Amino acid sequence: AQSVTQLGSHVSVSEGALVLLRCNYSSSVPPYLFWYVQYPNQGLQLLLKYTSAATLVKGINGFEAEFKKSETSFHLTKPSAHMSDAAEYFCAVSDPSTGNQFYFGTGTSLTVIP
Amino acid sequence: NAGVTQTPKFQVLKTGQSMTLQCAQDMNHNSMYWYRQDPGMGLRLIYYSASEGTTDKGEVPNGYNVSRLNKREFSLRLESAAPSQTSVYFCASRGPSVTADTQYFGPGTRLTVL
Repeated sequence: AQSVTQLGSHVSVSEGALVLLRCNYSSSVPPYLFWYVQYPNQGLQLLLKYTSAATLVKGINGFEAEFKKSETSFHLTKPSAHMSDAAEYFCAVSDPSTGNQFYFGTGTSLTVIP
Repeated sequence: NAGVTQTPKFQVLKTGQSMTLQCAQDMNHNSMYWYRQDPGMGLRLIYYSASEGTTDKGEVPNGYNVSRLNKREFSLRLESAAPSQTSVYFCASRGPSVTADTQYFGPGTRLTVL
């Protein structure tokens, strides 16, 4: 079975500062990992995904994440926060052998302070 | 392409009433999903359909039924609504291949049960 833990339900950063959102996973097999963003009153949009190729994955809007097997982590980073980055971020995991079910973390709400 | 569409966007029900949430996708995806999103709990899978003609229970199926009407449409029915079903409901689709592909989300239905 898979599960995802997102540390910190709320994160605040100053505009221009580094964004770091944490995600740890539990999986009995090498997983596929995803980060989604949700803006207010909207559905989820894919930021990036890891599918067993390069461990450093680049996504949209300047975000990237690194898969670290030894730490079972897939943290999301962005070098310089922008006001438009304020949103809810979800980490998700799936089992590549079936691919049918995705397991989501509880989300991290990012606030960007001007 | 409209992507994933959901109707209605908002709904208020009284306890015991029934309703059907509609979802359609125009991306020729095989798999479709229904999630509910509650504060602090992330997204929880209610039901999914790996292909036309098949449906499977997810994490929280009690109180819900689904129908995969055809490849495009996947509906969620509440037979006797309860206040505990107040939530935001998201439909998603995934494809085209079995593994690693992205889930695409609809805009959500905000349901309140009084």
